Amino acid sequence: AQSVTQLDSQVPVFEEAPVELRCNYSSSVSVYLFWYVQYPNQGLQLLLKYLSGSTLVKGINGFEAEFNKSQTSFHLRKPSVHISDTAEYFCAVTRNQAGTALIFGKGTTLSVSS
Amino acid sequence: EAGVAQSPRYKIIEKRQSVAFWCNPISGHATLYWYQQILGQGPKLLIQFQNNGVVDDSQLPKDRFSAERLKGVDSTLKIQPAKLEDSAVYLCASSLPNGEQYFGPGTRLTVT
Repeated sequence: AQSVTQLDSQVPVFEEAPVELRCNYSSSVSVYLFWYVQYPNQGLQLLLKYLSGSTLVKGINGFEAEFNKSQTSFHLRKPSVHISDTAEYFCAVTRNQAGTALIFGKGTTLSVSS
Repeated sequence: EAGVAQSPRYKIIEKRQSVAFWCNPISGHATLYWYQQILGQGPKLLIQFQNNGVVDDSQLPKDRFSAERLKGVDSTLKIQPAKLEDSAVYLCASSLPNGEQYFGPGTRLTVT
């Protein structure tokens, strides 16, 4: 079975500062990894995904993440955040098989202030 | 391209009442998922359909929850009777065979 741990429940940062949201996973099989963002009263939107290949993955809105197999991590980074990045961020994992359900972490609340 | 549609967006009921949620997936998406998101937690899978067949319902509380996907398109999720702990956002998602899931806006259920 797979599991996901998001190490920080809340991350407050100032506008234009860099940010890292941490995610560790556990699995006995190869996995696909995802980051989703959820704005208030909205559904989940895919930020980026790692399926295979390059371990540095670039997504929408200037976010990127690095897959580290030895440390079983998939941390999300952005070099300069905006007020509009304030949202809930979820790391998720599936078995590396098409059509399998996502297993989510508990989420990290990113709060960007001016 | 239209996204995943869900209705209603909000629902308030009393415990022991019944409630139903509706989901219309993206056209052509054979796989449909229902997730439950309790406040402060990540979404948790309740049931997964492939066309109109159930792939995984291992975490669905079958004594009170039921779901169907007639004709392999729309889906309904029902709770009967509701308990206080069922208060959550119910998310529907659909996907193509490559597995990328697209989520609807969710239905926020409050049980009083």
